Amino acid sequence: KAGVTQTPRYLIKTRGQQVTLSCSPISGHRSVSWYQQTPGQGLQFLFEYFSETQRNKGNFPGRFSGRQFSNSRSEMNVSTLELGDSALYLCASSAGDSPLHFGNGTRLTVT
Amino acid sequence: GENVEQHPSTLSVQEGDSAVIKCTYSDSASNYFPWYKQELGKRPQLIIDIRSNVGEKKDQRIAVTLNKTAKHFSLHITETQPEDSAVYFCAASGPGSARQLTFGSGTQLTVLP
Repeated sequence: KAGVTQTPRYLIKTRGQQVTLSCSPISGHRSVSWYQQTPGQGLQFLFEYFSETQRNKGNFPGRFSGRQFSNSRSEMNVSTLELGDSALYLCASSAGDSPLHFGNGTRLTVT
Repeated sequence: GENVEQHPSTLSVQEGDSAVIKCTYSDSASNYFPWYKQELGKRPQLIIDIRSNVGEKKDQRIAVTLNKTAKHFSLHITETQPEDSAVYFCAASGPGSARQLTFGSGTQLTVLP
């Protein structure tokens, strides 16, 4: 079974731009969660989607948004990028009450 | 909201020795406690998890203990091997939000050959 796939693996953007990251969950997993990982703040929950609906949201500004499609694939968008948005963005999928399975992440660098 | 503290931040042990990492949580409603291992440049991988209705769980060389009264849980790795070297994260989540994990700050474990 293929794991969680995130694209692209690396991104370099300029302050003020916007970015879209993509995540394909494990087949059969309907829940997709997004996390931000930075050296200073560690791993922080962004949001969770299930059946195309946002189910939970972390404490991030409105510049961070996401969506989920009918095939469970998910995208997250960050608008008006700031230097502090540089991070590894991790997507995780799960089925029912099963543990989270993480993807390899997208490394975003904002210059 | 939930707050998870993890100690120590770095831990060095000799190969074959045991390693213990401890976490405390603040929300008494939390009921799910996974541990993830992250090697350099790789994704976090679940190594073991425990739910609040269980006090201890073991999987080969890895065990987790949970003390609900004290609100702390620990990871125990026995007979450590160099390939155990990685960053370990504890996490907690509450009822109805099993995918909204609050993570500890991580422990860099180094197993010296």
